[in-house]
Amino acid sequence: AQTVTQSQPEMSVQEAETVTLSCTYDTSESNYYLFWYKQPPSRQMILVIRQEAYKQQNATENRFSVNFQKAAKSFSLKISDSQLGDTAMYFCAFMPLGAGNTPLVFGKGTRLSVIA
Amino acid sequence: EAQVTQNPRYLITVTGKKLTVTCSQNMNHEYMSWYRQDPGLGLRQIYYSMNVEVTDKGDVPEGYKVSRKEKRNFPLILESPSPNQTSLYFCASSRDRGYEQYFGPGTRLTVT
Repeated sequence: AQTVTQSQPEMSVQEAETVTLSCTYDTSESNYYLFWYKQPPSRQMILVIRQEAYKQQNATENRFSVNFQKAAKSFSLKISDSQLGDTAMYFCAFMPLGAGNTPLVFGKGTRLSVIA
Repeated sequence: EAQVTQNPRYLITVTGKKLTVTCSQNMNHEYMSWYRQDPGLGLRQIYYSMNVEVTDKGDVPEGYKVSRKEKRNFPLILESPSPNQTSLYFCASSRDRGYEQYFGPGTRLTVT
């Protein structure tokens, strides 16, 4: 079974600073996607960034980037120039691409607070 | 606007009273799924559907039913709710299995 581990239940960062959220996963699959989702107080699940396992290049979306280390099964999220609106729960998620169901397997989340 | 909608957004009910949470998407997506979110546990998949009339169990299906009679709709049915089903529920859809999933706004359910 696949598992996703987020080792930091809570983190805080000063506005305009950079913060990195950790995520590791365990799988025997060779083909999969990885995601970071943001859940603000509104509870909406918002996709932040995605990474295809077959791509070596790290994904980037504006201030958000990942450090994907496939051999180490690590998928960390870096938020640059943190803004107050980045305050949210962040979930790392894994999606296998084998035959059949392709559920998102979520970590337990990291609560990020951006401090003015 | 492309979206996944859920109703109701909030529901308080009593043990044993059957209820349905509706989910609808307007993106012509094949794959739909239900998740529940509990503190400290993240989100876990309840049921999924790969197409009309094709549904199957996820990781935590006990106490739930689903149906997929039309492509756009995927209701979640609790025949006899119990307090351990108090949770935040999300419906999600994607154009096919293996693609990015789009989430509805969530339904907060409390069973007393």
